[in-house]
Amino acid sequence: GEDVEQSLFLSVREGDSSVINCTYTDSSSTYLYWYKQEPGAGLQLLTYIFSNMDMKQDQRLTVLLNKKDKHLSLRIADTQTGDSAIYFCADSNDYKLSFGAGTTVTVRA
Amino acid sequence: NAGVTQTPKFQVLKTGQSMTLQCAQDMNHNSMYWYRQDPGMGLRLIYYSASEGTTDKGEVPNGYNVSRLNKREFSLRLESAAPSQTSVYFCASSEAGQGAYGYTFGSGTRLTVV
Repeated sequence: GEDVEQSLFLSVREGDSSVINCTYTDSSSTYLYWYKQEPGAGLQLLTYIFSNMDMKQDQRLTVLLNKKDKHLSLRIADTQTGDSAIYFCADSNDYKLSFGAGTTVTVRA
Repeated sequence: NAGVTQTPKFQVLKTGQSMTLQCAQDMNHNSMYWYRQDPGMGLRLIYYSASEGTTDKGEVPNGYNVSRLNKREFSLRLESAAPSQTSVYFCASSEAGQGAYGYTFGSGTRLTVV
């Protein structure tokens, strides 16, 4: 199966930038995704990047993809308390998504 | 605009009991999935159905069965629950494959087996 790895915890001060990193092994992935899970809720698609792109920006979110190193990152600018959540990266293979263990982001005042 | 609906939201079972988790989507998606989420392990795929009439095993299928009842509904059955099946279960759906929209997830079923 595909392995997706990410660090488990990140603490960031309100107003700073957050950077969440992820590595994956499946080089055939067409899309890579970032999902957000708030407490007690399901996962919501935050953003995605097509595999032939290096970067995608969407308001406060910037996704960087390094295909050579199989490294994906999510940067959240001006982090707010509402950004406290678990963030999952996922890569795709056939019909299936493989998820990392999730990074718990805690925003402190 | 319900999306993916899972029932029940919470359940406590005794070891050896059986139950069925229900999932329905109203987005006319072809593919449906069952995942379990455990602390520090992310989401692991139990079973999936690429299209109506087909089901396939995922990463952790042992102890579970599924039924794709029709295009809308995909149920997960635990025949004889074990404490190791204590988890949060998520159903998801997508267009054929996943494309730019990924999956749409339900809100989860929190299952405790005692």
